[in-house]
Amino acid sequence: NAGVTQTPKFRILKIGQSMTLQCAQDMNHNYMYWYRQDPGMGLKLIYYSVGAGITDKGEVPNGYNVSRSTTEDFPLRLELAAPSQTSVYFCASSYSGTGNSADNEQFFGPGTRLTVL
Amino acid sequence: GQNIDQPTEMTATEGAIVQINCTYQTSGFNGLFWYQQHAGEAPTFLSYNVLDGLEEKGRFSSFLSRSKGYSYLLLKELQMKDSASYLCAVEADSNYQLIWGAGTKLIIKP
Repeated sequence: NAGVTQTPKFRILKIGQSMTLQCAQDMNHNYMYWYRQDPGMGLKLIYYSVGAGITDKGEVPNGYNVSRSTTEDFPLRLELAAPSQTSVYFCASSYSGTGNSADNEQFFGPGTRLTVL
Repeated sequence: GQNIDQPTEMTATEGAIVQINCTYQTSGFNGLFWYQQHAGEAPTFLSYNVLDGLEEKGRFSSFLSRSKGYSYLLLKELQMKDSASYLCAVEADSNYQLIWGAGTKLIIKP
């Protein structure tokens, strides 16, 4: 199993450009999440999905969009990039959202380091 | 509001024991997680507490007191590779979202 994979690892965008951060998992997990992590800060949830075709906003969704057409893939779209979106983006997945630890554990991808200039 | 507090940074000596505290004020409580994050890497799962008490897993133990809104992570026989940030996260309700603390950066000195 590759686990959770993310591409690209690094990206520099100019203000106003758009891009899609790719995320895929091969663990047949139902739940997937997108977080951003700013230096010295905790993880902030951007969007999450509880299954194919179902997405919902997290704490900081503005400026982002997601889709979940398959169980495996959960891409994050940035429209009109702004310097405030400079951050490290992590995708994560879990078997389910609640229950025992084996189901709850979130597995993280390696992250995408995005700079908007 | 929802809030999780952890010390920003701690320093400990190789071979010693360190306790990292986490206090939380949330609208509800379904469980508490500890994750380890090495610099430049993704968080990895360490422990999950849902009931009061101590959960031991090798050199790492995690304690929870729901009535006090308090947890700690205990690391024994510290090794240099334990230098990392330790993140506390609470599942406050059943909407599958975790609320994350800012993390405690642990520095291990020889």
